[in-house]
Amino acid sequence: KAGVTQTPRYLIKTRGQQVTLSCSPISGHRSVSWYQQTPGQGLQFLFEYFSETQRNKGNFPGRFSGRQFSNSRSEMNVSTLELGDSALYLCASSHGGPKNLYGYTFGSGTRLTVV
Amino acid sequence: QQQVKQSPQSLIVQKGGISIINCAYENTAFDYFPWYQQFPGKGPALLIAIRPDVSEKKEGRFTISFNKSAKQFSLHIMDSQPGDSATYFCAAGTYKYIFGTGTRLKVLA
Repeated sequence: KAGVTQTPRYLIKTRGQQVTLSCSPISGHRSVSWYQQTPGQGLQFLFEYFSETQRNKGNFPGRFSGRQFSNSRSEMNVSTLELGDSALYLCASSHGGPKNLYGYTFGSGTRLTVV
Repeated sequence: QQQVKQSPQSLIVQKGGISIINCAYENTAFDYFPWYQQFPGKGPALLIAIRPDVSEKKEGRFTISFNKSAKQFSLHIMDSQPGDSATYFCAAGTYKYIFGTGTRLKVLA
């Protein structure tokens, strides 16, 4: 059974640019959540998508957005990149039912460096 | 209300020893409490998890102890091995996770 696949693994972008990260969930999982991991702030919840709709949202500025496609694959976009956006971006997939956190599986992440 | 406090920040244990990591939470609505293990360059991997209606859960060398009244839970790693050297995160949540700040464990051979 394939795990959660995130692409690309590494990215280097310049301040002011925008970036799109991709996440393919485990087959059959309908919920995709995104987290940002930094040494200073730890792991922080960005948002969750379920059935192509954003179901929950964390406390990040509007520069961070996402979407989910009909095959449950998800993309996350960050516009007008800032140095502080440098982080490991993780996505996690789950079935998405009432006990959504059960079976939550993370991908290996995309390491974004903003220069 | 949303914080999960984790301690210690780092831990050094001899091979064969017991590693203990503690977490405390505030929000009584949380209904799922997992522990994740993360190696450098990898995403967090689920180790073991517990629900609040259970006081202890054991899977192999890993045990979660849960104290609902104190709003605390802990991870015990028995017979710690050098391969257990990693960063461990506790988490708590309902529809999303609030993560602890992580414990860097080093097991000496």
